[in-house]
Amino acid sequence: GAVVSQHPSRVICKSGTSVKIECRSLDFQATTMFWYRQFPKQSLMLMATSNEGSKATYEQGVEKDKFLINHASLTLSTLTVTSAHPEDSSFYICSARGDRGDYEQYFGPGTRLTVT
Amino acid sequence: AQTVTQSQPEMSVQEAETVTLSCTYDTSESDYYLFWYKQPPSRQMILVIRQEAYKQQNATENRFSVNFQKAAKSFSLKISDSQLGDAAMYFCAYRSAWGSARQLTFGSGTQLTVLP
Repeated sequence: GAVVSQHPSRVICKSGTSVKIECRSLDFQATTMFWYRQFPKQSLMLMATSNEGSKATYEQGVEKDKFLINHASLTLSTLTVTSAHPEDSSFYICSARGDRGDYEQYFGPGTRLTVT
Repeated sequence: AQTVTQSQPEMSVQEAETVTLSCTYDTSESDYYLFWYKQPPSRQMILVIRQEAYKQQNATENRFSVNFQKAAKSFSLKISDSQLGDAAMYFCAYRSAWGSARQLTFGSGTQLTVLP
């Protein structure tokens, strides 16, 4: 099956700094990538959808300037949390989808962000 | 907008027994897909089973089967011969068959505990 990787799996940063999370589709071309945020024991909340070469579409309530998404190639999308604060601490999950007939979404293993 | 409702925040089942997780959804569309995802403690999202709305036959994957009632907008997951490894958070999800984004809409999840 299709594999999606995320890096890093865990990151700790200080308040006010920025952190970048990478999401890669390893064996298929991801025309669309999705970024989710998940709090403990809660569901996945879609933050934004990005198409390769286009600007990301953010969900209502998600700050575009804080969560910068770049989908520069068909295998790589990045999420940069700028000027991170403790309330940004969460589990971030990316998901990638190709242009195949089934339009199946494949999920990365997630990144745990802790802002101190 | 579509909504997905999982009314059972927590369920438990004895090992080797059968358990059914409930899911209802609301949509005005006639063509769509429904999914059950499993999220174990590792937090990697794993696709358990998928159902196309146009198919009347209920999907089955080994010990996992669904009861899809399109008119009632119900999509329950039955796990037979439960195993300790089935313990996880289970999410029901909906996806439109049409539209450029076709993103997943998740329910709130059901935490399944398997008792030895």
